Amino acid sequence: RKEVEQDPGPFNVPEGATVAFNCTYSNSASQSFFWYRQDCRKEPKLLMSVYSSGNEDGRFTAQLNRASQYISLLIRDSKLSDSATYLCVVTQPGNQFYFGTGTSLTVIP
Amino acid sequence: DGGITQSPKYLFRKEGQNVTLSCEQNLNHDAMYWYRQDPGQGLRLIYYSQIVNDFQKGDIAEGYSVSREKKESFPLTVTSAQKNPTAFYLCASSTAPDRRVWLAKNIQYFGAGTRLSVL
Repeated sequence: RKEVEQDPGPFNVPEGATVAFNCTYSNSASQSFFWYRQDCRKEPKLLMSVYSSGNEDGRFTAQLNRASQYISLLIRDSKLSDSATYLCVVTQPGNQFYFGTGTSLTVIP
Repeated sequence: DGGITQSPKYLFRKEGQNVTLSCEQNLNHDAMYWYRQDPGQGLRLIYYSQIVNDFQKGDIAEGYSVSREKKESFPLTVTSAQKNPTAFYLCASSTAPDRRVWLAKNIQYFGAGTRLSVL
């Protein structure tokens, strides 16, 4: 069983749409949770950390449900520049980072 | 500017040749990591190091070797034993697990990557 699982998509949405990505993790001892963004042929970059209380950064909202071992990312008012692959990342004790395979998003004009 | 520098950006390997990918960071991070990413795939951990002079195998260590003689440097050698080395190689660093740092700040930062191809 994979440590982190994501729907690979692709998600093709029109500009201005709201889109949600989901991610599940298998180890209940997981400690920290993040969403990274990876543009084509580039390195992953941190988009936002995910806190148990949920957190928002502009048009982006992240939620964590520890009971269900589930993480989500909501993007409101999608922009063309949001087109990328979004990686769900989970850390476990021992500073181990586990990456999902990513969800591809294309925002269409 | 603080960050992680990988070099070269592109690398070509001849059959039977060992090649070394460089990774240097000036973020004062204790932990460093090497990942491999194949097209359309996620990141797979090759090796990681939590402290100088110590490193551990990741999920796909066969055909690779590393060293950690200095805190800021974590070079990866792709040996001739790695039969399918063509991939995008990413180096990352983060703060150490034993420091009393708020876990939410234990973020992994990446270099720009090295694309390795076989001639």
